[in-house]
Amino acid sequence: AQSVTQLDSQVPVFEEAPVELRCNYSSSVSVYLFWYVQYPNQGLQLLLKYLSGSTLVKGINGFEAEFNKSQTSFHLRKPSVHISDTAEYFCAVSRGSQGNLIFGKGTKLSVKP
Amino acid sequence: DTEVTQTPKHLVMGMTNKKSLKCEQHMGHRAMYWYKQKAKKPPELMFVYSYEKLSINESVPSRFSPECPNSSLLNLHLHALQPEDSALYLCASSQDWAFFGQGTRLTVV
Repeated sequence: AQSVTQLDSQVPVFEEAPVELRCNYSSSVSVYLFWYVQYPNQGLQLLLKYLSGSTLVKGINGFEAEFNKSQTSFHLRKPSVHISDTAEYFCAVSRGSQGNLIFGKGTKLSVKP
Repeated sequence: DTEVTQTPKHLVMGMTNKKSLKCEQHMGHRAMYWYKQKAKKPPELMFVYSYEKLSINESVPSRFSPECPNSSLLNLHLHALQPEDSALYLCASSQDWAFFGQGTRLTVV
């Protein structure tokens, strides 16, 4: 069975500081991995995805993530955050089709001025 | 058009009411999904439609009834819901990744 663990439920950070949101997955088969962002009272927006190929994946809004198969991790990073990055971030792994997703519990990123 | 549109955005219904949630996409995606998201929790899969046929039902109670009338539309019919069914209901469609709608915030009173 597949599962996703987001190790931090909340990450407070100051504006312009770097941030890393951690995600580990468990799967016995090849995986497709995703990071989604959810702003208050909104749906989910895809930040980036790993389907195959290069293990360093770049996404929207300056975010990137690295797929590490040996450590079963897919951590999300941004070198300098903005107030507007305050949101809930979900790591997800697909089961079969790319829309059939198992989500981690989410990490609330709070960017302070 | 790269959007998934959900209507209504907000819905308040009584426990004896019948209502429907609607989802529409025009990206040509042949897989569509319903997710339920309780407050401060991640989304949880409810149903998967593939080529307009129900392929996955994650043991959802029968008071939730999905319908896929055509390749662009997905409905979720609601009947005799309970207060604990109050949640954000998200629709998604996918090809290489899932596109999510903005959701319907449902309150059952």
